[in-house]
Amino acid sequence: QKEVEQDPGPLSVPEGAIVSLNCTYSNSAFQYFMWYRQYSRKGPELLMYTYSSGNKEDGRFTAQVDKSSKYISLFIRDSQPSDSATYLCASPNTGGFKTIFGAGTRLFVKA
Amino acid sequence: NAGVTQTPKFRVLKTGQSMTLLCAQDMNHEYMYWYRQDPGMGLRLIHYSVGEGTTAKGEVPDGYNVSRLKKQNFLLGLESAAPSQTSVYFCASSLSNEQFFGPGTRLTVL
Repeated sequence: QKEVEQDPGPLSVPEGAIVSLNCTYSNSAFQYFMWYRQYSRKGPELLMYTYSSGNKEDGRFTAQVDKSSKYISLFIRDSQPSDSATYLCASPNTGGFKTIFGAGTRLFVKA
Repeated sequence: NAGVTQTPKFRVLKTGQSMTLLCAQDMNHEYMYWYRQDPGMGLRLIHYSVGEGTTAKGEVPDGYNVSRLKKQNFLLGLESAAPSQTSVYFCASSLSNEQFFGPGTRLTVL
């Protein structure tokens, strides 16, 4: 079992929809969670991070962590075609300098 | 700042040929990484370095070698390329938890 599991999709939604992207993780020691966004033929870029359980909001994006169920979510409100990308969840290992990435979910937002 | 740069952007090799991928960062980061990304597999760590002169194996190191002679550069070598090494290779660097990625190198081995 991979330490971070993510449904690869693809997920296709109409413009304006609320998008929910999800990951599960297996290592209870994970404390810090990140979402990276990767546009086609580009490298991943950090989108959001959160340290603990609960929600963190940044504009149209909300990251949510439920440590009791080891579940990580990213919500996108009022989705735009420019949100079309692959979204990777991630968590640093206990040493801190290596990061475990999910396989990524491809999202298509149709105009 | 250029951030993380990778050379070359594209390359086609024949089986058995060798090549070196170059990664450079101008952010004075201690940690550097090489990943490969394949469809459905996500990012898999090949090798990494926690500082100048140090290297360590990641998840999929076989068939690759690395060197970090200067803090700003991290080289990935393929001594004898195989078709299974066809992939997109990403270099990244970090100071703490956030990793900064380069634009990638698309490698095809025929």
